[in-house]
Amino acid sequence: AQKITQTQPGMFVQEKEAVTLDCTYDTSDPSYGLFWYKQPSSGEMIFLIYQGSYDQQNATEGRYSLNFQKARKSANLVISASQLGDSAMYFCAMRPNTGNQFYFGTGTSLTVIP
Amino acid sequence: DTGVSQNPRHKITKRGQNVTFRCDPISEHNRLYWYRQTLGQGPEFLTYFQNEAQLEKSRLLSDRFSAERPKGSFSTLEIQRTEQGDSAMYLCASTDAGSLGEQYFGPGTRLTVT
Repeated sequence: AQKITQTQPGMFVQEKEAVTLDCTYDTSDPSYGLFWYKQPSSGEMIFLIYQGSYDQQNATEGRYSLNFQKARKSANLVISASQLGDSAMYFCAMRPNTGNQFYFGTGTSLTVIP
Repeated sequence: DTGVSQNPRHKITKRGQNVTFRCDPISEHNRLYWYRQTLGQGPEFLTYFQNEAQLEKSRLLSDRFSAERPKGSFSTLEIQRTEQGDSAMYLCASTDAGSLGEQYFGPGTRLTVT
């Protein structure tokens, strides 16, 4: 069975500080992709970053980086230099490479405090 | 290209009525997904198309739900005999077969069944 767990329902961070959003996953597939999405209050999901299970280096995209620890089955998102516009829901997702179905976590609500 | 579009954005219907939603993916994307999202949850996979072929369907999907993508471009999702439990946001996403798999989401259709 595939499962994504996000244990932080809500997080607060001071503007310009860094924040880590946790994600753990469970899969028996040896090859998979991990994704993070942002969902602002407007509702539209926005792709942020991708990590392949065989990638040797942690993925980075601008202020976003993914702390991938394969043995622990964790894929935490790090947002550096938080901005007010980062306030949103953040979802971790996984897609086993043997299929096309994506599995999403329940999300973390991030609030950036000025 | 303006991204993935969905119509209508909001739909209120009475229990027992049929509803149909439309999704127009990014034009060069051959993969299309439908999801359902309820409050406080992440998107839940419903079905997947590659071109016009429906290749995967969630086992949780009631037979009241049907989806089509007749020409491999736009897709429709129909719910027959709606129930109050069908009230949710219905999201459509598309992706390019040659990509890492990152999905581009539409704004969603919010369904309210009274």
